[in-house]
Amino acid sequence: DAGVIQSPRHEVTEMGQEVTLRCKPISGHNSLFWYRQTMMRGLELLIYFNNNVPIDDSGMPEDRFSAKMPNASFSTLKIQPSEPRDSAVYFCASRQGSTNTGELFFGEGSRLTVL
Amino acid sequence: KNEVEQSPQNLTAQEGEFITINCSYSVGISALHWLQQHPGGGIVSLFMLSSGKKKHGRLIATINIQEKHSSLHITASHPRDSAVYICAVSSFGNEKLTFGTGTRLTIIP
Repeated sequence: DAGVIQSPRHEVTEMGQEVTLRCKPISGHNSLFWYRQTMMRGLELLIYFNNNVPIDDSGMPEDRFSAKMPNASFSTLKIQPSEPRDSAVYFCASRQGSTNTGELFFGEGSRLTVL
Repeated sequence: KNEVEQSPQNLTAQEGEFITINCSYSVGISALHWLQQHPGGGIVSLFMLSSGKKKHGRLIATINIQEKHSSLHITASHPRDSAVYICAVSSFGNEKLTFGTGTRLTIIP
């Protein structure tokens, strides 16, 4: 398996623009997580899905952020409108099973810079 | 106060040295993860454990549930081990991971 695949790897955009980050989890994994990493706050969970259903989105910073998982092999994280403080590395991770005892597999991350 | 504390925050050692990174947590957990992140790179899961000890190559992870403490050891350290090592814990019935702030390890040839 190719692992968790994220795109784009790097994105530079201007404040106010819409940003869409994409994730393809490992086939057969039914839990998917979106994390954000910054120097100041480290790794933070934004949202996670079980069997394509959003379970906990309490980490989503504000209404400008939204995430979807239309099927088992694809998820998006959208920021609209983007702001400079959204600059971070966004990681997607997936895990097999619906309990928290499985190993997590991370993608390479999407580095977002908002000017 | 973070529920997961790591020490040291930064560690520099000579190639070949035995390395220990510590992680203490304050809540009951179902599992503890050790993650590795190279500069500018992705995150790799090294270990997930809920009791005892696990070994993979030169890496060893231990956990003491009663003391709420885990250690990551690296034997015969090598410059390619230079990375940030992150401890994270998950609680029963909760998919969220609580992360430590990481330990930046630098191995000098």
